[in-house]
Amino acid sequence: DIQMTQSPSSLSASVGDRVTITCRASQDTGISLAWYQQKLGTAPKLLLYAASRLESGVPPRFSGSASGTDYTLTISVLQPEDFATYYCQQYYRAPPTFGQGTKVEIK
Amino acid sequence: EVQLVESGGGLVKPGGSLRLSCAASGFTFSSYNMNWVRQAPGKGLEWVSSISSTSNYIYYTDSLKGRITISRDNAENSLFLQMDSLRAEDTAIYYCARGSFQQLILSPFDYWGQGALVTVSS
Repeated sequence: DIQMTQSPSSLSASVGDRVTITCRASQDTGISLAWYQQKLGTAPKLLLYAASRLESGVPPRFSGSASGTDYTLTISVLQPEDFATYYCQQYYRAPPTFGQGTKVEIK
Repeated sequence: EVQLVESGGGLVKPGGSLRLSCAASGFTFSSYNMNWVRQAPGKGLEWVSSISSTSNYIYYTDSLKGRITISRDNAENSLFLQMDSLRAEDTAIYYCARGSFQQLILSPFDYWGQGALVTVSS
């Protein structure tokens, strides 16, 4: 199975900050990488797919990039509604696997 | 509007069985691959199973293989997960999720249900 390792596991940030979350795959995932946002008590929401493609309706302050087996989710200007847990997921090879999550908390 | 609504969760004793259902609406259910993903209390997301649009291709996570069966009824726009020989570690919220790429069983999950809580305890 492809292992996905996210860092950091959690971070504290203020509204208006720029936030970066990293996801490293244990092997090539061919940019078949998605990012999800999950708020407490709700289902995950797809933010980006193919590493950098924004899902319809997702604000453009969210962006993604890839470099080899490293993927990055960036929130350019953190908003109050962005405090949540973020997960990466590879869908390149079965079984699809998720990172362990990054919790973005209010500083 | 795409909607996925799970049902069938509840409290079950170790060794027991449960059948989860997911009612889909707002899209052509028969054209999409479907998935189950679970989340143990306070933990991350774990893919459980996938089924192709015509049920020709089915995949299970190794940790549950032999104890679960995924199925679908395209005429009823419904997805199912039969779970047998349940263990305490199967306690989780079980989400159904739609695969976004119609032609590929491996794809991002673009719509999720609200989840069904399964609690395995004596």
